[in-house]
Amino acid sequence: AQTVTQSQPEMSVQEAETVTLSCTYDTSESDYYLFWYKQPPSRQMILVIRQEAYKQQNATENRFSVNFQKAAKSFSLKISDSQLGDAAMYFCAYRRGGATNKLIFGTGTLLAVQP
Amino acid sequence: GAVVSQHPSRVICKSGTSVKIECRSLDFQATTMFWYRQFPKKSLMLMATSNEGSKATYEQGVEKDKFLINHASLTLSTLTVTSAHPEDSSFYICSARDRMRGRETQYFGPGTRLLVL
Repeated sequence: AQTVTQSQPEMSVQEAETVTLSCTYDTSESDYYLFWYKQPPSRQMILVIRQEAYKQQNATENRFSVNFQKAAKSFSLKISDSQLGDAAMYFCAYRRGGATNKLIFGTGTLLAVQP
Repeated sequence: GAVVSQHPSRVICKSGTSVKIECRSLDFQATTMFWYRQFPKKSLMLMATSNEGSKATYEQGVEKDKFLINHASLTLSTLTVTSAHPEDSSFYICSARDRMRGRETQYFGPGTRLLVL
């Protein structure tokens, strides 16, 4: 069975600084996708970034980038130039390739941004 | 684009009553929708996968007779909590996959907070 592990229940970063959130996963599949979702206090889940397993290049979305280490089954999220609006719960998620396969979420990391 | 709405956003009901929650994809067609439950400060727990025109697939431990799911159209799925009890109080979130844009990404609704008294 696939599992997603986020070992950091809480993290804190100073405004304008960089922070890295960790995520590891376990799977025997070769076709899969990885995601980082943000859940602010409003509780609306927002997609931050997505990585296809077959792509070697790390995904980047503005200030957000990932370090995808497929052999190590690691998928960390780096937030650069942190802003107050980045404060939220961040969930790492895994999805096997296929038509209707479900998302498997990690337990989340609560990120605080200090002014 | 890729907006998912939920209605109601918040509902309070008496124990024993049934509550229906709607999930709509506003600007895309979704053959597959997902229903999650989230407890405070916890992760999302998948309850069921809803496929348009067919029966929902429930996760292990989720009572299908208690949580009725209907996906009658490509833009609407409903979750009905039947004979609700206080332990059903939770935050319910739906998500939908855009059949045209790509099957890899789910778009989430804003959630429905249910409180059963």
